[in-house]
This record gives sequence, C-alpha cells and structure tokens, in this order.
Amino acid sequence: DTGVSQNPRHKITKRGQNVTFRCDPISEHNRLYWYRQTLGQGPEFLTYFQNEAQLEKSRLLSDRFSAERPKGSFSTLEIQRTEQGDSAMYLCASSPSRARGADTQYFGPGTRLTVL
Amino acid sequence: QKEVEQNSGPLSVPEGAIASLNCTYSDRVSQSFFWYRQYSGKSPELIMSIYSNGDKEDGRFTAQLNKASQYVSLLIRDSQPSDSATYLCAVDTGTASKLTFGTGTRLQVTL
Repeated sequence: DTGVSQNPRHKITKRGQNVTFRCDPISEHNRLYWYRQTLGQGPEFLTYFQNEAQLEKSRLLSDRFSAERPKGSFSTLEIQRTEQGDSAMYLCASSPSRARGADTQYFGPGTRLTVL
Repeated sequence: QKEVEQNSGPLSVPEGAIASLNCTYSDRVSQSFFWYRQYSGKSPELIMSIYSNGDKEDGRFTAQLNKASQYVSLLIRDSQPSDSATYLCAVDTGTASKLTFGTGTRLQVTL
C-alpha cells in the first residue's frame, strides 16, 4: 500500500511566476483534500474533491488558486502570479468515502513553496 | 474565538512519564476527532481517531473525548524521546468532511 505522494517536494520561485503541484492519492481513495500550512500553524483547509467533483473551496482560496482532479485520480493545484505570502507547505490528503462523520485523512509529504 | 484551541507549549516531560495533551473545540455539531503527530519539516501523521465519548486506547496512546465539555485529550504513556514532536488536534466541521486543526502542542521528552 503506497501512501499519498506529492511532487515536487520543494519549489522555489520568483514572485509573479505560476507554479503547479501534483498529488497522487492512495489508490481506491475517492476523496482528496488540499491544505496549506505556515510555520507555527496547523494545516488550513483549501479545497476538497469527491472523485472528479470539486465540492468545496475555502474562502482562503483566492482567484489565483485553482485545483483540478480530472479523472478522479491525481490532482493538481496551480497558483498563478505567486506572491510572497503564498510561501507555505502545501499538503494533500486522501480518504476513502465513508458514511459516518469525517473520514480518516492520510497526508502526503507535502510540497514546500518558497516565493522570493 | 478559535474553532480548535491547543496550548502551543512546549510541554516538557521526562522520559518514561505520561504526557497529557489537551484540545477544546467550539462547534457542537462536530462528530469526529483526530490526533496527528508532526515532526519538524514533515507532514502530519495520524495517531488516533475518536468518535464517541470516553476513552480509546491504542498501545501507549489514549484519546479521551467529552462532547458535553467540548474537550478532547491525548495521553502518551511511557514517553520516549522519539515522541518529541508537535501534536495536532483536528476536528471535523460537520460539512464536507474537512478538518479544522489547532495550532498544535510541541512536546519535548527529556532524557
């Protein structure tokens, strides 16, 4: 059982550039989440997919952020016109669909973004 | 008021002692509660989940939930230096299964 994988693990970019991150969830998990974590804070929810449908987006997710999960498998998170405030760890998590309450979410290793 | 509150610590305990980590939450409709461990520079790793009032034990870890008091805790028995990490409390918000995290409590287990 391979876990959640994310690529790249680190990304350094200049302000104003676009970046794209990829997340491959645990196979057979049909829910996929993106979170952002800054130093000293807990992860903050950004968006969530059930299969290929994006069902919720946080108000934290500005128009510069877009996420896709075109075939219900891997997902991409794109940030356009990056700003220094976008520097953070971007975490992907996946979970199986289950009727009761919140599903147990398993996190990938994260992509650390540094915007210069 | 923050939705999920944790004491940021650091909480320092000697090796072999019991570490007690606490978390309060504000949303009464929350049904599911999780504890994650996060080492510096790494991603969160699930330790425990708890859904019902009372205690749930898994090895050296015990999660305790009191929905009336909106309180969840994690006890670590026989603390080891390898337990030194930040412990994140996470609560479901009742919609879309997204989790709301506290800021985490940093635990230091001293020799």
